[in-house]
Amino acid sequence: DQQVKQNSPSLSVQEGRISILNCDYTNSMFDYFLWYKKYPAEGPTFLISISSIKDKNEDGRFTVFLNKSAKHLSLHIVPSQPGDSAVYFCAASSYYSGGSNYKLTFGKGTLLTVNP
Amino acid sequence: SQTIHQWPATLVQPVGSPLSLECTVEGTSNPNLYWYRQAAGRGLQLLFYSVGIGQISSEVPQNLSASRPQDRQFILSSKKLLLSDSGFYLCAWSLFRTDVYGYTFGSGTRLTVV
Repeated sequence: DQQVKQNSPSLSVQEGRISILNCDYTNSMFDYFLWYKKYPAEGPTFLISISSIKDKNEDGRFTVFLNKSAKHLSLHIVPSQPGDSAVYFCAASSYYSGGSNYKLTFGKGTLLTVNP
Repeated sequence: SQTIHQWPATLVQPVGSPLSLECTVEGTSNPNLYWYRQAAGRGLQLLFYSVGIGQISSEVPQNLSASRPQDRQFILSSKKLLLSDSGFYLCAWSLFRTDVYGYTFGSGTRLTVV
């Protein structure tokens, strides 16, 4: 049972344009969400997070939007740069609600390619 | 600052051979420790996690085991590797506090079972 879903395995955008990566979740207990970026043969690195009390969090070129009613979050990268090319993982936890608070559940990832 | 070390970076092992992957964390005490696997074309699958010395929780029944002999050391083992054990293995740590929430991953081990 895939509780965190990233339905697009890949996305290709032009440099300077906006990249939008999507993530859906099914577990209504999830209340904290994170995005990780992974280059080949490296461990994922933390990018940005959002708690369920917010609907938007911004950090430089990266913005995460959360729609709790739709159980959907998205990561916007603007402007996109070739160095952003990587696999992006969405992750979720029920941190604040006290369930499974030691674990993050990851999606399968989306490969973003930013073309020069 | 906190650092996480994972080794080896790559490993090629024959089917039926044993496995030992080690992960150590520096600069923090009593971290939560995790082993994940990324198989080809798949996402990050949680294999084991530990909230303290000697405390291991298994997420997926399989050919692998984990141990935590010291506070900042986490070991992934197998007595006999299977072809299906091939993948990219990642160790991670977290404190699960709101100010340092999230995982910090190691650089990973690429395991190929032949």
